[in-house]
Amino acid sequence: EDQVTQSPEALRLQEGESSSLNCSYTVSGLRGLFWYRQDPGKGPEFLFTLYSAGEEKEKERLKATLTKKESFLHITAPKPEDSATYLCAVRLSGANNLFFGTGTRLTVIP
Amino acid sequence: DTEVTQTPKHLVMGMTNKKSLKCEQHMGHRAMYWYKQKAKKPPELMFVYSYEKLSINESVPSRFSPECPNSSLLNLHLHALQPEDSALYLCASSLGTGGLNTEAFFGQGTRLTVV
Repeated sequence: EDQVTQSPEALRLQEGESSSLNCSYTVSGLRGLFWYRQDPGKGPEFLFTLYSAGEEKEKERLKATLTKKESFLHITAPKPEDSATYLCAVRLSGANNLFFGTGTRLTVIP
Repeated sequence: DTEVTQTPKHLVMGMTNKKSLKCEQHMGHRAMYWYKQKAKKPPELMFVYSYEKLSINESVPSRFSPECPNSSLLNLHLHALQPEDSALYLCASSLGTGGLNTEAFFGQGTRLTVV
């Protein structure tokens, strides 16, 4: 059965304290892994797409990496405005769906 | 421009009402999606339209009826909903569903409350 698991479920960081969020997947035929940021009551905001193991993408304080089993979202020197829920999603071979993990709620304390 | 526009932003409806949610994109995307999201849960797929044809219907109750009038518009018609249908309804679009550039862009959602 295809599965996407995110950890931790919630993470509290002090401002400036770097950390990583994990997205582990067990799927048959990955056609893309996507990271989104979601603020409360809003739609998910697209961050990154990763297609193959070894690929890395960066944007400001965020860096996403991909292996054959998992993806990491590294947050360097986070600021309070980085507080949000971070979702990973996968697109599978032969499927039109984006299947989401359960998300990590990040809180950055000033 | 990566904007997907949803209207209305908020909707309160009774269980006997009929209402519609609307979604529009002008990015030339050929796949459009409806997702439902409950509080503190990830989005769950309801429908996918690819090239204006319904390609996925995830066993959604018939009280939800999607419509894709053209490649830029997507509607979700609501009828005889239940209180448990209260949720954030998200529309998304992507260039396609295969190959590269398949990331989906989401609208801001419609917060639906069924009373």
